[in-house]
Amino acid sequence: DAKTTQPNSMESNEEEPVHLPCNHSTISGTDYIHWYRQLPSQGPEYVIHGLTSNVNNRMASLAIAEDRKSSTLILHRATLRDAAVYYCILRALTGTASKLTFGTGTRLQVTL
Amino acid sequence: KAGVTQTPRYLIKTRGQQVTLSCSPISGHRSVSWYQQTPGQGLQFLFEYFSETQRNKGNFPGRFSGRQFSNSRSEMNVSTLELGDSALYLCASSPEPSSLRTGELFFGEGSRLTVL
Repeated sequence: DAKTTQPNSMESNEEEPVHLPCNHSTISGTDYIHWYRQLPSQGPEYVIHGLTSNVNNRMASLAIAEDRKSSTLILHRATLRDAAVYYCILRALTGTASKLTFGTGTRLQVTL
Repeated sequence: KAGVTQTPRYLIKTRGQQVTLSCSPISGHRSVSWYQQTPGQGLQFLFEYFSETQRNKGNFPGRFSGRQFSNSRSEMNVSTLELGDSALYLCASSPEPSSLRTGELFFGEGSRLTVL
C-alpha cells in the first residue's frame, strides 16, 4: 500500500498562512489524496481532496505536485480553531472497495 | 441532521473479555467503516460495510469482526481482548461505498476502549 509521510508538528501564528506538506512517493495513478483533521476528543473531519489538479474550498486549498509524489495543504489564514492534527490520506479505488492509508499526521499549533 | 453516533463512548474491559461497539450512521448513509486509533500506530483501517456486506478489510487478526444490519447500523466485536487493543475506535459513514465515490467520510466521536 502506498504510504504518506508528514512532519510530526508545525507551528504558525494566527492570521498567517500555513503550508502543511505530505510526501507520497509511491502513489499510484488512481489514488486520491485526502486531508482530514482531528481536533482534541473528536473524530476526524474532512478538509479537502484531489486527484491531479489543485483544489480550493472554503476551508483550505490543496496543491498537488505535477508528479503527484507530494502535496501541500494550505490554510490561508490560520486561526486558533485550526489547531489540530492534520492527516494526509491516500484513497485507492481497488475493485469493489477502497483501501485507506493514513499518514502519521502533523500536529499544528497556532499561537497568537 | 444527526451525525454519526457511536456507543458506548467509554468502556473498560479486562484481558480475555470481549466487547461489542455500535455505530449508527447518518440517516441515508449506507456505508460504514471502522478504524482503530492508538498513540503508537495512529489511525488504522479495520473494515468497511455496505448493504450488510463487508467490502474491505484491513490487516487485523480474526478477533476483530463486524457486521452491518439492514438499517445500516453497524457493530464491531473484539474477542479475547488484549492489552494492545486499548484504543479509540472510530466509525465513519458515507452515502455510497467508497469504491463509488471519493468524497468525504463523516466520522463519529469514537468509543474509547481501555483493556486492563
